[in-house]
Amino acid sequence: DTGVSQNPRHKITKRGQNVTFRCDPISEHNRLYWYRQTLGQGPEFLTYFQNEAQLEKSRLLSDRFSAERPKGSFSTLEIQRTEQGDSAMYLCASSRGQGSNSPLHFGNGTRLTVT
Amino acid sequence: AQTVTQSQPEMSVQEAETVTLSCTYDTSESNYYLFWYKQPPSRQMILVIRQEAYKQQNATENRFSVNFQKAAKSFSLKISDSQLGDTAMYFCAFMKFRSGGGADGLTFGKGTHLIIQP
Repeated sequence: DTGVSQNPRHKITKRGQNVTFRCDPISEHNRLYWYRQTLGQGPEFLTYFQNEAQLEKSRLLSDRFSAERPKGSFSTLEIQRTEQGDSAMYLCASSRGQGSNSPLHFGNGTRLTVT
Repeated sequence: AQTVTQSQPEMSVQEAETVTLSCTYDTSESNYYLFWYKQPPSRQMILVIRQEAYKQQNATENRFSVNFQKAAKSFSLKISDSQLGDTAMYFCAFMKFRSGGGADGLTFGKGTHLIIQP
C-alpha cells in the first residue's frame, strides 16, 4: 500500500494559464474524490469517480474545471484560465467497495498559487 | 444540504491531559456516517474514527472515542492521555448513506486546531 500520490506538490502559475494536477489512488480502490481546501477551512467536495465514471460533481466545479479518470486508475484535474480565487490546496482521496462505509484515504495534496 | 459546525477554532492542553473536541451537524437524513479526520502539519488527512448513525454504541479507537448524540446531532471527539503527536487540525465530517451502494462526498467542518503542550 503506497498510499494516494499527488503531483505536483506545489504549482505556481500566472492568472489565465491552464494547470493540470494528477492523482494516483491506492491501486485496488475503485473510488476517487477531489476536494479543495482553502486556508482556515475544511476541504470542500469537488467531484467523485467510481471507476472511470464521474458520478458526482459539486456546484463548486465551474466549467473551467474538468476532471477525468480515463482508465479507472489515475485521475487528472484541469483548471483552465486560472483565477486568483483558485489558489488552494487540491486534495485527492480514494476508497474501495460498493457501500458508503469505506473510509477515504487522502493524498498530500497539490498546493496551487495563482499570481 | 448538510452542514457541520465546529465551534472551537483552537484548543490547547498539556500533554497527558484529556481533551474533547465538539462537533454538531444538521441533516434531514436518517442514515449517515460521521468521521473525525486529523490533518498534521504535513497536510495529509488521516482518518481517526468513524461512527455509523444507526449504531447506538459510541465508537472507540485506542485513545480516541466519540460521544454520539443522534437526537442532538452532536458528535464530539475525546482524546485521552494526549500526546505531542496529536497536535494537528481535526475535522469533523459527515457522509450520507445511499442504499444500493454509491457514495456522496464528505462534508467537513472548518476544523479545530489542537495544540498539545509539553
